[in-house]
Amino acid sequence: ETGVTQTPRHLVMGMTNKKSLKCEQHLGHNAMYWYKQSAKKPLELMFVYNFKEQTENNSVPSRFSPECPNSSHLFLHLHTLQPEDSALYLCASSQDGRGGPDTQYFGPGTRLTVL
Amino acid sequence: GQNIDQPTEMTATEGAIVQINCTYQTSGFNGLFWYQQHAGEAPTFLSYNVLDGLEEKGRFSSFLSRSTGYSYLLLKELQMKDSASYLCAVMDSNYQLIWGAGTKLIIKP
Repeated sequence: ETGVTQTPRHLVMGMTNKKSLKCEQHLGHNAMYWYKQSAKKPLELMFVYNFKEQTENNSVPSRFSPECPNSSHLFLHLHTLQPEDSALYLCASSQDGRGGPDTQYFGPGTRLTVL
Repeated sequence: GQNIDQPTEMTATEGAIVQINCTYQTSGFNGLFWYQQHAGEAPTFLSYNVLDGLEEKGRFSSFLSRSTGYSYLLLKELQMKDSASYLCAVMDSNYQLIWGAGTKLIIKP
């Protein structure tokens, strides 16, 4: 059983909708990550939070907005998305993302379809 | 630029051995990870190599050669449940993971 949960597991939305993805980790970790996974492409790192502070934003469009209220919860707010944003969105956590080799543990992902 | 290469797809027979290769070019090196991802599920951690050589963990082994930028994941006594994608990732000098596109492994009876 994974220590990282994500909801919803599937989401279909129109380009004008606003929705949020939720991630929760039960591992006592201090770093959390959002990734985008598209078919046959490498995982793309979107955002990193360490101790609730955003430390990485890999040139992600502003239609994706992260929120990290505490070390256990991470949200990804979505608005005015494009069809090319359809993908699997994975959340991960690690003990301490500030430096040093650190194993990341993943949630099952949210399969997002933008119509 | 940074690059991780691994085969897109491989096929093997139940009970056999398969080796999945990964080559990398990155800005610095702080270790190489292998993950397994079944369709529709979370990637799960398999192994971590930071020193040259072979690390064995049950039916799975992972090898690293830093001088050649090369790693492989060896799966022995293949089972149907090993059908999955295998992701290679390298931690660069900034401790960020650089990911390969994954190798889809198909196991046939």
